[in-house]
Amino acid sequence: TQLLEQSPQFLSIQEGENLTVYCNSSSVFSSLQWYRQEPGEGPVLLVTVVTGGEVKKLKRLTFQFGDARKDSSLHITAAQPGDTGLYLCAGASGNTGKLIFGQGTTLQVKP
Amino acid sequence: DTAVSQTPKYLVTQMGNDKSIKCEQNLGHDTMYWYKQDSKKFLKIMFSYNNKELIINETVPNRFSPKSPDKAHLNLHINSLELGDSAVYFCASSIPGRSYGYTFGSGTRLTVV
Repeated sequence: TQLLEQSPQFLSIQEGENLTVYCNSSSVFSSLQWYRQEPGEGPVLLVTVVTGGEVKKLKRLTFQFGDARKDSSLHITAAQPGDTGLYLCAGASGNTGKLIFGQGTTLQVKP
Repeated sequence: DTAVSQTPKYLVTQMGNDKSIKCEQNLGHDTMYWYKQDSKKFLKIMFSYNNKELIINETVPNRFSPKSPDKAHLNLHINSLELGDSAVYFCASSIPGRSYGYTFGSGTRLTVV
């Protein structure tokens, strides 16, 4: 059974601080995706990383895929209250399109 | 224009009832999914259809039956609802391929009383 361990599960920080969320597995994934979910809404795709070692930036968010394609991280620089939400990592393997989700990280950024 | 739309948004029903959730996507995607999100926010796949054909059927009670009349629609029918079925159910769609992410609907919060 493929599992994705996401940490930390909860994070409460002040505006302007930096943070990193980790997503780890013992399984290899063909791609790793990060989503952000707000209350009452569905998850929204932030980024997909496909190549081992790949780094992608989305404004203040930096995503990295591990060299062995078993882990990923999301780093947020100078967090803002608008970054508050549930962050989910999800791994894809095979060709069915099935995603395995991590447990999620609830981020609260206080003004 | 809503890309993936689910109805209803909220569903409160009694144990033993039968209910359906509808999903439609206007993105032209070939693959559609149903996911269940539990009270701890964990998302788990239930079913997946590719162009009307069932391709993923996880360990889900057979009280849950998906139906895809065409590739733009994927409905979920649940018989004999139980308290444990209470959750948020998400429909999603994607283009097959490892680099394409999902587009999710806004979810249906099902409460069984």
